Amino acid sequence: DAKTTQPPSMDCAEGRAANLPCNHSTISGNEYVYWYRQIHSQGPQYIIHGLKNNETNEMASLIITEDRKSSTLILPHATLRDTAVYYCIVRALTQGGSEKLVFGKGMKLTVNP
Amino acid sequence: DSGVTQTPKHLITATGQRVTLRCSPRSGDLSVYWYQQSLDQGLQFLIQYYNGEERAKGNILERFSAQQFPDLHSELNLSSLELGDSALYFCASSPRRGAFFGQGTRLTVV
Repeated sequence: DAKTTQPPSMDCAEGRAANLPCNHSTISGNEYVYWYRQIHSQGPQYIIHGLKNNETNEMASLIITEDRKSSTLILPHATLRDTAVYYCIVRALTQGGSEKLVFGKGMKLTVNP
Repeated sequence: DSGVTQTPKHLITATGQRVTLRCSPRSGDLSVYWYQQSLDQGLQFLIQYYNGEERAKGNILERFSAQQFPDLHSELNLSSLELGDSALYFCASSPRRGAFFGQGTRLTVV
């Protein structure tokens, strides 16, 4: 079952930072926060994940609150190509394999010119 | 390129028929996940395999089955196809870092 809550949609101006929120108030201590995105009809794309520390990679930054009940994905300079459905997922990593990866409804981000 | 290969990319078939979708995971990845995405719908988790064994089941119909072979490629078998089975079918393989998805097979049942 999806354990996260995201707003259904958000708009952002091109070149501005896009801050995508996610609530995961029932997250367990061994569960990571993952973000994926899906550009229309393409396979979902992994963006970033984290446990409790903030993370940054070439695509985005992930800010996780101290109580781990929510997080924010930040796209620092949104482009039109960032228009997609963004999924926030919580998922544990178990010994010998990974827990199933269940997607919720996600959030549609539209980057406007 | 995610490194996950799905074949075929497109498939058109008639109701009542049976098809097989194939997925080759990234080199070294032991987990394979299958998802169904109908038009304008979310990603529905179907089934997960890990190193040849079924690990988790989602909303997979009894008409559907899957398996993972010793070389770690996986096949999703869809039988007695109905119009409502028309969808994109995605496969993903999963290292500990994050799942990587193939580009999907678009199945059209006519």
